[in-house]
Amino acid sequence: QKEVEQNSGPLSVPEGAIASLNCTYSDRGSQSFFWYRQYSGKSPELIMFIYSNGDKEDGRFTAQLNKASQYVSLLIRDSQPSDSATYLCAVLDTGRRALTFGSGTRLQVQP
Amino acid sequence: EAQVTQNPRYLITVTGKKLTVTCSQNMNHEYMSWYRQDPGLGLRQIYYSMNVEVTDKGDVPEGYKVSRKEKRNFPLILESPSPNQTSLYFCASSLGRPETQYFGPGTRLLVL
Repeated sequence: QKEVEQNSGPLSVPEGAIASLNCTYSDRGSQSFFWYRQYSGKSPELIMFIYSNGDKEDGRFTAQLNKASQYVSLLIRDSQPSDSATYLCAVLDTGRRALTFGSGTRLQVQP
Repeated sequence: EAQVTQNPRYLITVTGKKLTVTCSQNMNHEYMSWYRQDPGLGLRQIYYSMNVEVTDKGDVPEGYKVSRKEKRNFPLILESPSPNQTSLYFCASSLGRPETQYFGPGTRLLVL
């Protein structure tokens, strides 16, 4: 079974710092990677996705892929208390057209 | 407003009593999916549907049924619920690509 692993955290960073979240995946053939944010008691929402052809930046968020080591990173610059949430990494299983999710990393941004 | 709705949002039931959780989307999406979320296990897919009358198993389909008779609706059926199905359930939909899924608000189920 294809797996996606994340450190559950919590990862605690001070306001204004860079938060770095990582996930590893088991399927070397994976090509599409996604980051969802989930606030406590709410549903997941897509914030970033990247494909195997490169990294992506969107505002304060940067997603990076290291194919050789099979991990994906999400960097959040100038972290704000409103970024405090659980971040879910997901990998697309193209065969089943389904997402495999990691268990999430809880981020706490301290004011 | 584009949205995915689920009902009920909270449900307490007893072992063996059949229940249905409804899911509806107003975005004319083809792809719909059900997930359960448990602490430490993340989101796991139960069933998905590519279109009307087309459904397939996800990672944890045992004990669940689905149907897709209309494009907008994708109900989740638990014929004989058991305590290990106590979980938070999410329905999701997308136009055709599972990676751009919109999630419903979730249904918290407790089976006693």
